[in-house]
Amino acid sequence: GENVEQHPSTLSVQEGDSAVIKCTYSDSASNYFPWYKQELGKGPQLIIDIRSNVGEKKDQRIAVTLNKTAKHFSLHITETQPEDSAVYFCAASRGSNYQLIWGAGTKLIIKP
Amino acid sequence: KAGVTQTPRYLIKTRGQQVTLSCSPISGHRSVSWYQQTPGQGLQFLFEYFSETQRNKGNFPGRFSGRQFSNSRSEMNVSTLELGDSALYLCASSLEVGGDYEQYFGPGTRLTVT
Repeated sequence: GENVEQHPSTLSVQEGDSAVIKCTYSDSASNYFPWYKQELGKGPQLIIDIRSNVGEKKDQRIAVTLNKTAKHFSLHITETQPEDSAVYFCAASRGSNYQLIWGAGTKLIIKP
Repeated sequence: KAGVTQTPRYLIKTRGQQVTLSCSPISGHRSVSWYQQTPGQGLQFLFEYFSETQRNKGNFPGRFSGRQFSNSRSEMNVSTLELGDSALYLCASSLEVGGDYEQYFGPGTRLTVT
């Protein structure tokens, strides 16, 4: 069946440095790729998403890139801050009517 | 606009009992999805309801069931609880209109089975 692989499982970066999390999907019909941030004790929060007609999308310090040929997409966080520490999940879907297929999550640790 | 609400937030049950969890989606949202989250297991999809009909289903046993009401509120039920059912149960709602199918999550219900 469809699956999404996410790497790394844990990422530790110095405050101020950049962080990159990568996901690879198997279903070539996927056209919607969201990223979620989950802080301790809370539900996941949508932080950015991208659709297959776009190669890159930015929102302040975060950006997502999509390579449909290689079937992978990445989350980039620049100038990391302590509040960026959380678990990040990627997902992929064919869109409406289809369930999201989730990555296993990446624990991002920002070192002061 | 109010977010997704889930009740109760915490629940302790005994093995063999049954439990019902409730989810109220964002006003106007028509789809509700349920997930189970355990440490180290990520998000496991249970099922999704749209306009009172189950549209998608994950790989969980029949002890896990759900339903959606005409006002889009949803409930999930777990019968004959097992110790392994201890988890955070999350629900998410989405608008599903005009290509808008982003999911928004509630805070979850923490279920502990003893």
